[in-house]
Amino acid sequence: EAGVVQSPRYKIIEKKQPVAFWCNPISGHNTLYWYRQNLGQGPELLIRYENEEAVDDSQLPKDRFSAERLKGVDSTLKIQPAELGDSAVYLCASSLDAVWEQYFGPGTRLTVT
Amino acid sequence: SQQGEEDPQALSIQEGENATMNCSYKTSINNLQWYRQNSGRGLVHLILIRSNEREKHSGRLRVTLDTSKKSRSLLITASRAADTASYFCATRYFGNEKLTFGTGTRLTIIP
Repeated sequence: EAGVVQSPRYKIIEKKQPVAFWCNPISGHNTLYWYRQNLGQGPELLIRYENEEAVDDSQLPKDRFSAERLKGVDSTLKIQPAELGDSAVYLCASSLDAVWEQYFGPGTRLTVT
Repeated sequence: SQQGEEDPQALSIQEGENATMNCSYKTSINNLQWYRQNSGRGLVHLILIRSNEREKHSGRLRVTLDTSKKSRSLLITASRAADTASYFCATRYFGNEKLTFGTGTRLTIIP
């Protein structure tokens, strides 16, 4: 069974530029998460989807971040414009439902210069 | 903040020894999970323990509960070099479906 797929793995951009991350969850997983992980810290939830509905986006900086999950499968996370403080690893995870264990992708390491 | 906290922040032991990491929490939990993260990789789920369970085993892993301290411990027995990684506890509180991660314990196994 394929795991959670993310692309790109690495991205370097200049500040004020846009950037997008893509995630393909494990087949059959209804719940999809985007996390941000700063160096030396644990992941922090940005947004959680149940199928195609965003049910928790309280930690998503909505002035510059946006996300979508078309047809309740793949998801994209966008930052526009990027700031220096956005440098981090962006992790996507999925699970059968919100209660049990989550399966993480390898992450996208974003560097904003 | 409801964030669980791991203790210690870093741990170095000799291969073959046991490693113990603690995770504390502040209010009633639904379940507590442990994840491992190797450098440059995503997190891998290790074990989940429910609030009504006092102990749980999975291979060389053992999770135990101390309700008086609101703390749960992860024990890795007979450590191996491949166990070198960061270990995160993640807590799900009652009434909140969000999983809250701690800051992690960086475990180094010395061959």
